[in-house]
Amino acid sequence: SQQGEEDPQALSIQEGENATMNCSYKTSINNLQWYRQNSGRGLVHLILIRSNEREKHSGRLRVTLDTSKKSSSLLITASRAADTASYFCATVPYNTDKLIFGTGTRLQVFP
Amino acid sequence: KAGVTQTPRYLIKTRGQQVTLSCSPISGHRSVSWYQQTPGQGLQFLFEYFSETQRNKGNFPGRFSGRQFSNSRSEMNVSTLELGDSALYLCASSLSNLDTEAFFGQGTRLTVV
Repeated sequence: SQQGEEDPQALSIQEGENATMNCSYKTSINNLQWYRQNSGRGLVHLILIRSNEREKHSGRLRVTLDTSKKSSSLLITASRAADTASYFCATVPYNTDKLIFGTGTRLQVFP
Repeated sequence: KAGVTQTPRYLIKTRGQQVTLSCSPISGHRSVSWYQQTPGQGLQFLFEYFSETQRNKGNFPGRFSGRQFSNSRSEMNVSTLELGDSALYLCASSLSNLDTEAFFGQGTRLTVV
């Protein structure tokens, strides 16, 4: 399967703590994207990092990309209860227009 | 501007039947892709259309097909439904390719009984 993997599968933290999720993938990529999904609904795009970028920030989100290790991480700082959701990384393999999703991390933030 | 609209939101079908799902992309977006989400297999890419042409295809049997119309609206069809086709089907639209973000609809929840 082309599917990437994320770890941990599940993460429980208290409000105010940081949450880190890791993603590994298998092929050369154009870019890597992170999405959030609340309770089996549609996916919301969080951030896109291109293959020639190493780090990107957006508000409380920080994404890193290491193409030599085929891995990425998503850091959410100062978590809030509203951040409770499933988070997916998705790669766009080189020369394609399709998203290959990871297995997802289920994040629970307790108030 | 309006987001990606998928209809219907929920659907119950019997094994052996066929089903058609619809997706209206964001105005101006020309690329539409479809994904299947199940608890066991996660999010799997089905196919992607651009300007009425299928550009990319995932590893699904021929029972799964799709098309895109000149106004960029897309439909996917599943024939001879099986119990394992029960899933959340998600549609995403993007401007022209996935060098920019994709916007997802709320999905169609298909249950096959």
